[in-house]
Amino acid sequence: GIQVEQSPPDLILQEGANSTLRCNFSDSVNNLQWFHQNPWGQLINLFYIPSGTKQNGRLSATTVATERYSLLYISSSQTTDSGVYFCAVVLGGGFKTIFGAGTRLFVKA
Amino acid sequence: DTGVSQDPRHKITKRGQNVTFRCDPISEHNRLYWYRQTLGQGPEFLTYFQNEAQLEKSRLLSDRFSAERPKGSFSTLEIQRTEQGDSAMYLCASSLVGQSGEQYFGPGTRLTVT
Repeated sequence: GIQVEQSPPDLILQEGANSTLRCNFSDSVNNLQWFHQNPWGQLINLFYIPSGTKQNGRLSATTVATERYSLLYISSSQTTDSGVYFCAVVLGGGFKTIFGAGTRLFVKA
Repeated sequence: DTGVSQDPRHKITKRGQNVTFRCDPISEHNRLYWYRQTLGQGPEFLTYFQNEAQLEKSRLLSDRFSAERPKGSFSTLEIQRTEQGDSAMYLCASSLVGQSGEQYFGPGTRLTVT
């Protein structure tokens, strides 16, 4: 089956630093989303980005579908950015959604 | 504009008991998904509905699990004869056919089997 790999698995940043999170997937996909899971377990939508580049404030994302990867950029990180970031892909032709194992981010004040 | 809601938010049950969870999707969304998430892992897909039809089921959904969406609105997930390994967060999401397919998640139901 399709593999979704996220890196790095853990990341510790000083407040104000920038970071790049990566998501690699092994097959063609219809959809790709990035989520932030807060400490209470709620998954918050960041980007729906099957291809191209999008920006929302300090966050931006790029997906290169032909090379099967997506990147999430966090600039000027804040302590409230802490949590787990997941990418999720929907397989081509279906509806089954596969999540990566996540990147656990901790931003120090 | 209400989001996806789930009930209950927490459930503690004894091994062997049956439990049922409810999910109310965003009102105009006709696609509904169930996931299970264990500690330190990403959510795992369980099943998918389009309107009232259950179109896809994961092998994770054993015979003890059943999901329904009788009128194409809310959905229920029932676990029979619970086991300690069923302890997890159960997440529901919804999306809209004809749009991007972007999924929106509820707050989850945390199940603890003692």
